[in-house]
Parts: sequence; C-alpha cells; structure tokens
Amino acid sequence: NAGVTQTPKFQVLKTGQSMTLQCAQDMNHEYMSWYRQDPGMGLRLIHYSVGAGITDQGEVPNGYNVSRSTTEDFPLRLLSAAPSQTSVYFCASSYSGSNIQYFGAGTRLSVL
Amino acid sequence: GQQVMQIPQYQHVQEGEDFTTYCNSSTTLSNIQWYKQRPGGHPVFLIQLVKSGEVKKQKRLTFQFGEAKKNSSLHITATQTTDVGTYFCADYKLSFGAGTTVTVRA
Repeated sequence: NAGVTQTPKFQVLKTGQSMTLQCAQDMNHEYMSWYRQDPGMGLRLIHYSVGAGITDQGEVPNGYNVSRSTTEDFPLRLLSAAPSQTSVYFCASSYSGSNIQYFGAGTRLSVL
Repeated sequence: GQQVMQIPQYQHVQEGEDFTTYCNSSTTLSNIQWYKQRPGGHPVFLIQLVKSGEVKKQKRLTFQFGEAKKNSSLHITATQTTDVGTYFCADYKLSFGAGTTVTVRA
C-alpha cells in the first residue's frame, strides 16, 4: 500500500516556467488537499477537493490551479512560476468526514 | 491567516527534561489534531482530541483538550533525541498552526 505519492521530489524552475506537481493516493480517500510549507509559516492550504470533479480554494490559492478528474489523482499546476512560489509542497488525503490527514513525502521546489 | 496559534515557536530542551507546547484558538473547536514532522520529512498524524477536557497519552506524550475546547497542549516527559522535530496542531477546518520546532541537547 503506497499511500500518498508525490512526484517529483525536487524541482528547479526558472521564473515564468510552468509545471505540474503530481499527487496520487491509493486509499480511496475522497478528500485531497495541497499545502505549501515555508519557514515559520507552518502549513498553508492552497486548494482542496472533497471528491472527483469538485475543487475549492484554500488560504493561498493565487498562482495555482488544480483539477480532480479521478478519486486517485490531484495534480497542482503552476502556470507561470515566481520566486515567491519557492517552497515545499505537500499533498494530503483523508476519508470524507475524518480530519486525519495522510501526507505525501513532499516536493521541494525552487524558482530562480 | 492561521486560525490556531502555537507557542512557543522554538523549544530547546535538555535531554531528559520535560516540556509543554500549546495550541490556542479564538473560536471553539469541534476537534483538534496533532502531527509530528521530523527534519526533512512530512507531517505524520499523532492524535485527535474531540471531547472537552479530553486527555490522551502515547508513551511519554500527553495530549490535552481544554475544557472550553479553545486550546490544547502537548506535554513530553523525559525528552529523548527521537523527539526532535516540529509539532503541529490542526483544527477541524484543517488549518495548521505554525508549529513548535523542538531541538534536544544531549
């Protein structure tokens, strides 16, 4: 049982480039979310989804897009990367009605 | 902004000593969770508290939910090097505190 899988683990981008961070879970969880983690800021919610076809914005959604075409996958898209998006990104999933979240290993992104 | 506030932000502990970290909210929480993140790792769920005044223990870790359900605490006794990491609380809206980063002096 792989749990929550994030790819890539590391990425360096130039300002203005686009990319997609992948997240997949094999636990049949309805709820999935994306966080970014910056020093001293804890984990801030970017976007979340309560099920396939349903997404909503979190605390810091600007500059990011998401979609949820299947229960398993929840990719995060950066359309035009900016240095302010340098961060560690975590994907998490949970059962509907449960607050207990299972996190992926994270993607460490640097935007130059 | 963050709905739950954690203090202290950093905790430097001598091995063998006890310490407590706190999580506070201005609103009543239906439940609260605690997570631990080891250096370079990802957050891992520790425990969830639901009832007013609830106390749960995991070996040397004691978690408590306040009577008014607006605060929570994590108390670690006889700190060990394995306790190094950042401890986060999260409310029922999945809003995380900024965390308490714990370092241990051997």
